Amino acid sequence: GAVVSQHPSWVICKSGTSVKIECRSLDFQATTMFWYRQFPKQSLMLMATSNEGSKATYEQGVEKDKFLINHASLTLSTLTVTSAHPEDSSFYICSARSGLVYNEQFFGPGTRLTVL
Amino acid sequence: AQSVTQLDSQVPVFEEAPVELRCNYSSSVSVYLFWYVQYPNQGLQLLLKYLSGSTLVKGINGFEAEFNKSQTSFHLRKPSVHISDTAEYFCAVSDQGNTPLVFGKGTRLSVIA
Repeated sequence: GAVVSQHPSWVICKSGTSVKIECRSLDFQATTMFWYRQFPKQSLMLMATSNEGSKATYEQGVEKDKFLINHASLTLSTLTVTSAHPEDSSFYICSARSGLVYNEQFFGPGTRLTVL
Repeated sequence: AQSVTQLDSQVPVFEEAPVELRCNYSSSVSVYLFWYVQYPNQGLQLLLKYLSGSTLVKGINGFEAEFNKSQTSFHLRKPSVHISDTAEYFCAVSDQGNTPLVFGKGTRLSVIA
């Protein structure tokens, strides 16, 4: 149980285009989802927290107009990188938490984004 | 704000030797503590977690960790490592107010044959 999927697993895009990454909780309802970013050989940095049906809360320094997060249902959250630039290339990992398993976050396998 | 310090960025160790990966956290409130492993180009896999109860926590793949409140530490140990344990290990903390996990910078464990 407690499986989180991400799609796509990797994506290459041209500079200036937008990319959408999906995060799904497959066997539980995720009341809260988190998006992390990981640069090569570095730790995970929290980008934003989203609760189903409400606006995401972004961490300091994260541009909310660039990284659009939509938590449309209890099993789906999307991260859209708008007008992507090479510096947006990174490994993006989503995480989901249900209201039942207190305080445990389940992680997706990550999405590797490369912007050319 | 909470923070997590993983004192060693890289730990090389010979196969079948014991290993300890160190983790200290800053929070003064009650916390939940986690260790995750990440293999190259993959997501995170939970090794073990401390929520409450016994301070010695046993996880998967033969790993264990001990919660030490007075020293604000949660060090990860394994008595005998294998080549397959080569990976990046992350310590993470969340306070009992259900805040998002905050991660340490990671420790690269390299097991040498």
